[in-house]
Amino acid sequence: EVQLVESGGGLVQPGGSLRLSCAASGFTFSSYALSWVRQAPGKGLEWVSTISGSGGSTYYADSVKGRFTISRDNSRNTLYLQMNSLRAEDTAIYYCVRHKGGYSSSCFDYWGQATPVTVSS
Amino acid sequence: DIQMTQSPSTLSASVGDRVTITCRASQSISSWLAWYQQKPGKAPKLLIYKASSLESGVPSRFSGSGSGTEFTLTISSLQPDDFATYYCQQYNSYLFTFGPGTKVAIK
Repeated sequence: EVQLVESGGGLVQPGGSLRLSCAASGFTFSSYALSWVRQAPGKGLEWVSTISGSGGSTYYADSVKGRFTISRDNSRNTLYLQMNSLRAEDTAIYYCVRHKGGYSSSCFDYWGQATPVTVSS
Repeated sequence: DIQMTQSPSTLSASVGDRVTITCRASQSISSWLAWYQQKPGKAPKLLIYKASSLESGVPSRFSGSGSGTEFTLTISSLQPDDFATYYCQQYNSYLFTFGPGTKVAIK
């Protein structure tokens, strides 16, 4: 059974940093691209960042480019999102998602349960 | 970036109704479109990929159609479990974008 379990969310002040983690199981981790998708309170879904299975290719939404860094440790089956210079508008729940078929350009077939991030003073 | 719109934003329907949701892309995305269902407090669930392919385990009352810039999600006979918010998503480019969502409510 595919499982994606996010952690690391919490309350942080504007300008602060946070690192999210996503522990994966039930599939060959290194064969799948993964992404982070967020959802602000009461709002829709927003794609944040994607990383290829090897980790060699990464993609970012303009809203987070230069502030967030996606990475993965294929030996630990774990995905990360390092979030720096956090803003109030980054407040959301953050989902870890798997790309269908493993391709970076594909849609998302499995979603974690999300971890909440609140940016507030 | 490719912008996605959905209509309607909310619809009220009864059990057994046929429901259609429309999604439009600001430029052609071929058939690189997915549909997700999200219930309150839960993660989205993939229903349809590549515009018309049914994800494994999804009931056959769900179907998708379209290509280019206009797409539809149809629920042939609405069931109590189907009351939720539905999102379309384009994956023609790496700057993935979602539609704003359509909430299907009980009439």
